[in-house]
Amino acid sequence: DAKTTQPPSMDCAEGRAANLPCNHSTISGNEYVYWYRQIHSQGPQYIIHGLKNNETNEMASLIITEDRKSSTLILPHATLRDTALYYCIAHLNFGNEKLTFGTGTRLTIIP
Amino acid sequence: NAGVTQTPKFQVLKTGQSMTLQCAQDMNHEYMSWYRQDPGMGLRLIHYSVGAGITDQGEVPNGYNVSRSTTEDFPLRLLSAAPSQTSVYFCASTEAGRAYNEQFFGPGTRLTVL
Repeated sequence: DAKTTQPPSMDCAEGRAANLPCNHSTISGNEYVYWYRQIHSQGPQYIIHGLKNNETNEMASLIITEDRKSSTLILPHATLRDTALYYCIAHLNFGNEKLTFGTGTRLTIIP
Repeated sequence: NAGVTQTPKFQVLKTGQSMTLQCAQDMNHEYMSWYRQDPGMGLRLIHYSVGAGITDQGEVPNGYNVSRSTTEDFPLRLLSAAPSQTSVYFCASTEAGRAYNEQFFGPGTRLTVL
C-alpha cells in the first residue's frame, strides 16, 4: 500500500461539513483510496472508497484530485457521533487483502 | 448476522501465561485477520488467513500463533505473554475477491500483561 499522510487532528462545528484531507502522492495507478473510521475504542468501520471518480454514499463523499495525489473525505452535516479517528488507506483491490493503517486524523465535532 | 465476534472483551494475564483470543464470523468470509492497536499507533497486522487451513504472517507475528480449521473461526494464541503484548486486539474478516475491500471488524479484546 502506498504511504498516506493525514493531519493528526481536526475540529468541526456540529452541522457543518467536515472535510478531511489525505495526501497519497506515490499512489500507483491501480490502488484505490479507502476511508475507514474508528469510533472511540470500537473496531474500524468502512466508509467509502474510490479510484479516480468522485464517490458518494449514505455516509460520506470522496473527492479525488485529477492527478490522484490527494483526496478529501467529506461528511456533509457532521454530528457528534462523527467524532472518531479517520483512516485514509491506499490499497489494491485484488490479491492483496491486507490493509495498512496509518495513525489517521482524530476528528472532533464541537457542539 | 452477528458479524464478527471476539471473546473475551477484557483479559489480564501475568507474564509467561498463555491464552487464546477467540474470533468468529458468520458471514462465510474467506479472509480473516488479526490486528493489534497500541496507544497512538495505527493497527498493525499480526497474522491473516485466506481460507481454512491457510495462514500467513503479517507485520508483527512474533509471540503469536494462529490456525484456521474452519471458515468461521480464527483463534489467536499467545504462547508466553509479555508486557509488550499489552494492546487492543481486533479481528477482521472480508469476502475474498469481492469488488472492493470492505473489512468487518470485531469489537476488540483489551489485553493487559502484568
